[in-house]
Amino acid sequence: KAGVTQTPRYLIKTRGQQVTLSCSPISGHRSVSWYQQTPGQGLQFLFEYFSETQRNKGNFPGRFSGRQFSNSRSEMNVSTLELGDSALYLCASSRGGGEKLFFGSGTQLSVL
Amino acid sequence: QQQVKQSPQSLIVQKGGISIINCAYENTAFDYFPWYQQFPGKGPALLIAIRPDVSEKKEGRFTISFNKSAKQFSLHIMDSQPGDSATYFCASSNFGNEKLTFGTGTRLTIIP
Repeated sequence: KAGVTQTPRYLIKTRGQQVTLSCSPISGHRSVSWYQQTPGQGLQFLFEYFSETQRNKGNFPGRFSGRQFSNSRSEMNVSTLELGDSALYLCASSRGGGEKLFFGSGTQLSVL
Repeated sequence: QQQVKQSPQSLIVQKGGISIINCAYENTAFDYFPWYQQFPGKGPALLIAIRPDVSEKKEGRFTISFNKSAKQFSLHIMDSQPGDSATYFCASSNFGNEKLTFGTGTRLTIIP
């Protein structure tokens, strides 16, 4: 059974640009969550989508947005990038009951 | 913002010894407490989790001890092995909710 797939693995952007990250969940999983991981702030919850609807949202500015498609694949978008957005962005999928989140290996975003 | 405080930040244990990592949570509404293990270049992977209706849960060499009145829980790794060297994160949530609040992580190193 394939795990959670995140693309691309690495990204380098400059300040002011926007970026889109992609996540393919485990087959049969309808929930996709996004987390930001930095050395200073640790792992922080961004948002969660279930059946194409945002079900939960963390404390991030509106520059961070996401969506989920009918096949449960999800994308995360960050507009007007700032240096502080440099982080590992992790996607996690689950059946939707809150237990057993399966994480991908993440997308390492560097903003220059 | 409700936090989960994790200690120690780093831990060195000899092979065969017991590794102990502690966490304390603030939100009394939390009722799901997982531990995640993360290797370099990988996303976190669920190790073991506990609900507050039990005070201890054991899976192989890994045990969670839970103290509801103190709002604390800990991970014990028995017979620690070099392959256990990784970063460990505790987390808390409302059961059924994909929004996890993570601790700051403990870098565990097992030396021969």
